[in-house]
Amino acid sequence: QVQLQQSGPGLVKPSQTLSLTCAISGDSVSSNTAIWNWIRQSPSRGLEWLGRTYYRSKWYNDYAISVKSRITINPDTSKNQFSLQLNSVTPEDTSVYYCARTEMGSRFFDYWGQGTLVTVSS
Amino acid sequence: QSVLTQPPSASGTPGQRVTISCSGSNSNIGGNTVNWYQQIPGTAPKLLIYNNNQRPSGVPDRISGSKSGTSASLAISGLQSEDEADYYCAAWDDSVKGYVFGKGTKVTVL
Repeated sequence: QVQLQQSGPGLVKPSQTLSLTCAISGDSVSSNTAIWNWIRQSPSRGLEWLGRTYYRSKWYNDYAISVKSRITINPDTSKNQFSLQLNSVTPEDTSVYYCARTEMGSRFFDYWGQGTLVTVSS
Repeated sequence: QSVLTQPPSASGTPGQRVTISCSGSNSNIGGNTVNWYQQIPGTAPKLLIYNNNQRPSGVPDRISGSKSGTSASLAISGLQSEDEADYYCAAWDDSVKGYVFGKGTKVTVL
């Protein structure tokens, strides 16, 4: 059974960097068949896919156009986790952030983290 | 606004059948599979239907999905109080090269 456990601060100041981590159990961040995603949800924007990281002999990243200039998703193989960094945040980035898994060959999220409410405010 | 269009709400009495529509375009629903998620407020979305009409283990067969052209639908038969939740459709979009979601449909059991 795959479990995703999120951690990170719930309050970030405007213009600073939002950082969250998703720890994986029951699978490996380096798996050749898994893809690791970040998704956020807010009342104004709904569910929004932010990006993903995956390993297929080397590491790959894909990012949503809406955040491409501000986002970094990194794997941490030593801790079997992956992280989200979103730079230059504004109040519009206030959302519940989720990590989630997809499997190679599929295009659905089968396992989700518990969610982290991040508020951008001074 | 969301790329996929869903009605904001749907309702029914216990035992009734409720259907939720999801409308998209050739770049998403028209060319890729549709997935549905159920979300109880305060919790993470849960996969309900994948690949248009497949149910993960544990999802009852009174819940079904279908797709035709650039639209999809989710049907809940024998409506129960536990079905009160928000329901989201989602698909990969070839134009934006990312996943897109509907805004969600709130199902109320009267």
